Amino acid sequence: GAGVSQSPSNKVTEKGKDVELRCDPISGHTALYWYRQSLGQGLEFLIYFQGNSAPDKSGLPSDRFSAERTGGSVSTLTIQRTQQEDSAVYLCASSLGGERHQPQHFGDGTRLSIL
Amino acid sequence: AQSVSQHNHHVILSEAASLELGCNYSYGGTVNLFWYVQYPGQHLQLLLKYFSGDPLVKGIKGFEAEFIKSKFSFNLRKPSVQWSDTAEYFCAVNRNNAGNMLTFGGGTRLMVKP
Repeated sequence: GAGVSQSPSNKVTEKGKDVELRCDPISGHTALYWYRQSLGQGLEFLIYFQGNSAPDKSGLPSDRFSAERTGGSVSTLTIQRTQQEDSAVYLCASSLGGERHQPQHFGDGTRLSIL
Repeated sequence: AQSVSQHNHHVILSEAASLELGCNYSYGGTVNLFWYVQYPGQHLQLLLKYFSGDPLVKGIKGFEAEFIKSKFSFNLRKPSVQWSDTAEYFCAVNRNNAGNMLTFGGGTRLMVKP
């Protein structure tokens, strides 16, 4: 079956511009996660959605970052007024439920480069 | 600070050599433990996981890991590596009292020489 789908696969933009990254989770998965993978910081958690509950935003690095999940499926991560330190691979993952033992399935990521 | 540590950043082995990658975490309480692998140009894939029960966990592709609670460790092992095991390996932890997010180690790049 289809895995987690992310788009675009690559995004190059100028400093100060806003970007939107999209994640389409595996069908039927109620939990969705965003992570960031960068050279200096490794893999870092950003935000977590589970069903209709309020998202866990504890990993968002600044108020320039926000995310939405519409209809319990597709999610969009938005970065406003991008900075060079935002350059990273943004990974989305989904899991069947919110239970901690459920493994997370990752997408291929969006490689974001800020000029 | 609480963290997940992978002390080997780069490992180079010849085919058929045995592999052990270290993973230590510094959290108290109950944890769930995972190893993920990222092959070149591919997404992260789950190798194995531990939640409870037998501390020796077997995963895909001949990998296994042992949870040693007293040492806060979850080392990954494979008795005989293949060239196709060349990849980056990540240990990850989620804690039962701290949300569902995974905290990852810094990763270990494994190169297997044919």
